[in-house]
Amino acid sequence: AAGVIQSPRHLIKEKRETATLKCYPIPRHDTVYWYQQGPGQDPQFLISFYEKMQSDKGSIPDRFSAQQFSDYHSELNMSSLELGDSALYFCASSLYGGLSEQFFGPGTRLTVL
Amino acid sequence: AQTVTQSQPEMSVQEAETVTLSCTYDTSENNYYLFWYKQPPSRQMILVIRQEAYKQQNATENRFSVNFQKAAKSFSLKISDSQLGDTAMYFCAYRGGGSNYKLTFGKGTLLTVNP
Repeated sequence: AAGVIQSPRHLIKEKRETATLKCYPIPRHDTVYWYQQGPGQDPQFLISFYEKMQSDKGSIPDRFSAQQFSDYHSELNMSSLELGDSALYFCASSLYGGLSEQFFGPGTRLTVL
Repeated sequence: AQTVTQSQPEMSVQEAETVTLSCTYDTSENNYYLFWYKQPPSRQMILVIRQEAYKQQNATENRFSVNFQKAAKSFSLKISDSQLGDTAMYFCAYRGGGSNYKLTFGKGTLLTVNP
């Protein structure tokens, strides 16, 4: 079965640079979620999209932005990177609805030097 | 805001034995969903089991079962016949029942299964 695809899997950036993370949800899933997991931490919700509209927003820095495109893939754009942005970034997708579980991608490991 | 608490940072169990991981949560909602996710060393997040709050019957998935106590706001995970492959970080997660579908995770419990 198709799973959530994230690219790249690993990314190394310098401070103050920009990064773009991509997420391709499971086919027919209409909702995408982004989570950030710092070293030794639990995943923290950043933002979600339903049918290309932002549906919820968590602790996402103003330096970050995201969107969902017409083909339902999503991109997380991160600017002015800081050392503290080093983390594992998960994308998850689901069908919209209370019973629908979120399927997680493998994550993108971002290292900021 | 909802909070999820896992009071056991680390646990260990012998292979083939049973272990229970604890989770408590705080919410003012009546309808919500609870999940246990497993994160092995690969860091992939894998859903283990889920429970709808309106269901009184405890969820079961093969060797995994939960003890859901709604009044006590407790949601523990029992792993029977533990296997080496069960070694992982286990996260308890909460999701509200309205249109807000984000997951709120606990800090996690690192489970080690010893041979």
